[in-house]
Amino acid sequence: QQQVKQSPQSLIVQKGGISIINCAYENTAFDYFPWYQQFPGKGPALLIAIRPDVSEKKEGRFTISFNKSAKQFSLHIMDSQPGDSATYFCAPRDDKIIFGKGTRLHILP
Amino acid sequence: DVKVTQSSRYLVKRTGEKVFLECVQDMDHENMFWYRQDPGLGLRLIYFSYDVKMKEKGDIPEGYSVSREKKERFSLILESASTNQTSMYLCASKDSNQPQHFGDGTRLSIL
Repeated sequence: QQQVKQSPQSLIVQKGGISIINCAYENTAFDYFPWYQQFPGKGPALLIAIRPDVSEKKEGRFTISFNKSAKQFSLHIMDSQPGDSATYFCAPRDDKIIFGKGTRLHILP
Repeated sequence: DVKVTQSSRYLVKRTGEKVFLECVQDMDHENMFWYRQDPGLGLRLIYFSYDVKMKEKGDIPEGYSVSREKKERFSLILESASTNQTSMYLCASKDSNQPQHFGDGTRLSIL
């Protein structure tokens, strides 16, 4: 039973470009929609999160777009930098967090 | 700043051994979690705990057990280690309605 589908599995973007990662979910009870960022050798860390009462949230170069009717939310990284190269996980939640399988992002210098 | 500390970064054990992975958090969080992370499979929840002496099975509890005798400490136990338990193990803690805070993981190899 796959409640969360994350795409793409891997992504290569030129420096300065826009990186887009998508997450589709099934459970309409989810009430919190975060993205985690994980660097090699480290645990995941919260990057940005949104609640279902808003459709978009922006923090610096990172934006979450949320489409409640389509049950999807996405992460946009503007002006992508080599330091953004990491694995990204969506993790929508009700009382138990469900993680997507991750997207390995590589930003070409 | 929340700190979740996992006692070992790397661990090598033999098949059949009993293995203990320790996790300590310093923010008085009620909830603690153990995940394993494997390439292409993401993070999979093994066990979690909402309170001292309380535990609940996650998605893949087989072959594992846990112990939470104190609020700040959550231990993962492999009763009889097998090679398919070679993985990265991540511990996390959180308060209600807050995001999870992760440790840096223990890379466990079972020979």
